Amino acid sequence: SQQGEEDPQALSIQEGENATMNCSYKTSINNLQWYRQNSGRGLVHLILIRSNEREKHSGRLRVTLDTSKKSSSLLITASRAADTASYFCATVGQAGTALIFGKGTTLSVSS
Amino acid sequence: NAGVTQTPKFQVLKTGQSMTLQCAQDMNHNSMYWYRQDPGMGLRLIYYSASEGTTDKGEVPNGYNVSRLNKREFSLRLESAAPSQTSVYFCATTLSLSYNEQFFGPGTRLTVL
Repeated sequence: SQQGEEDPQALSIQEGENATMNCSYKTSINNLQWYRQNSGRGLVHLILIRSNEREKHSGRLRVTLDTSKKSSSLLITASRAADTASYFCATVGQAGTALIFGKGTTLSVSS
Repeated sequence: NAGVTQTPKFQVLKTGQSMTLQCAQDMNHNSMYWYRQDPGMGLRLIYYSASEGTTDKGEVPNGYNVSRLNKREFSLRLESAAPSQTSVYFCATTLSLSYNEQFFGPGTRLTVL
């Protein structure tokens, strides 16, 4: 069963705008990860945030984690057409055996 | 340094046929995973191998078997393919269980008629 649920399911923006995607999960986690998938390709890891962290940055990416609300957000600043992809959150439980993925947010960035 | 490779890239089977999907990694990772991705479903874990010599079921193991041949290779076998197994299959690896980022192969697109 899916652990994470991304919101929105789809997002369309113009180049230069910011894109925000949210992820909610159900059970306690060790860490939460965000992945990107370009059409027809495998997933690529973007960023990992641990349960004792609240915010993390990587380039144009900013991830927040609120364990009290069991939610995370991914912010992509100054979006580019190349950011067009599906974005998935994935959680690792306390036992740490496997990633559980959400259904993803499809981001379209038009120039 | 190829990372994670999967063969074949595409495959069409008839119901009842068998096949093995191959995955190999040159990253010296301990843990390997097989996922399937269906439209609107995200990725679901089929089987995983925490380390060489061990395998465990994931969320959707029915109809599949796996073999961790050695540290580098993890294969997924469909003994009697069914149309419900039409999907894109991804292999992934990580240094140790899922505490770290996972590295994904390019996927195998399987159609069962």
